[in-house]
Amino acid sequence: GAGVSQTPSNKVTEKGKYVELRCDPISGHTALYWYRQSLGQGPEFLIYFQGTGAADDSGLPNDRFFAVRPEGSVSTLKIQRTERGDSAVYLCASSRSFTGELFFGEGSRLTVL
Amino acid sequence: AQTVTQSQPEMSVQEAETVTLSCTYDTSESDYYLFWYKQPPSRQMILVIRQEAYKQQNATENRFSVNFQKAAKSFSLKISDSQLGDAAMYFCAYRPIGGATNKLIFGTGTLLAVQP
Repeated sequence: GAGVSQTPSNKVTEKGKYVELRCDPISGHTALYWYRQSLGQGPEFLIYFQGTGAADDSGLPNDRFFAVRPEGSVSTLKIQRTERGDSAVYLCASSRSFTGELFFGEGSRLTVL
Repeated sequence: AQTVTQSQPEMSVQEAETVTLSCTYDTSESDYYLFWYKQPPSRQMILVIRQEAYKQQNATENRFSVNFQKAAKSFSLKISDSQLGDAAMYFCAYRPIGGATNKLIFGTGTLLAVQP
C-alpha cells in the first residue's frame, strides 16, 4: 500500500476484554515495529519484527501483550484482559530494511473503560 | 540506558519568525542517529530531519536545521520562517547503530504553536 495502515483507528473496550490491533505495512518493508504512546508522552518501543520473527520483544510490558506477523507482512498486536492503564495510542511503523527510515501509521487509539 | 530529554513542554512562535526546540540525550555509544519527528493531530509521526553522530556537519532540510553538539549531547531543532502548518508536537529521538534492534528512543515532546 501507499502508507502504513492501522485498524481500527479508535477502539473502546471494557476492562478485562480482549483486543486486537492490526497493522498493514508498506509493501516490501521487511521490518515492522509497534510502539505505545500514552497521553503526554513520547512513543515507547514494544516489539520489532524482521520478516516473520520477533527479533526484539523487550518492550512488551507483560505477558498480556502478544504480537504476530505470520506471513511477514500484516501484524496483529493482541492484548488480553485489558486494564485501564493499557489506554494509549498504539503506533505501527515499517522500514525497508534494518537500518532504513521508519514510516509510521496514524495509530490505533485504545480506550479501556 | 539511553535517555532523551526535551525540557520545553510547549513553545510558541509568530508566523515567519524563527524558533528553536531543545533536546538533550544520554548515551555511552559513540555512533548513533538522532531524529526530529513531527506529530500533527492525525497522530502520524513524520520525519523532519536526521543526523548521523559521526558527521560533524549539521543537517538541514529546507527551513529546518539542527545544532548538533556531540560533546554536550545536545541536538536542537531550528525552524526558520515558521508557517501555520508547522504547528504540531515535535519529538526528538535517538537510535543506536548496530546491535540486534533498530528501536527509537523518544523524548516527551514539545508542543509548538504558531501564531498568525
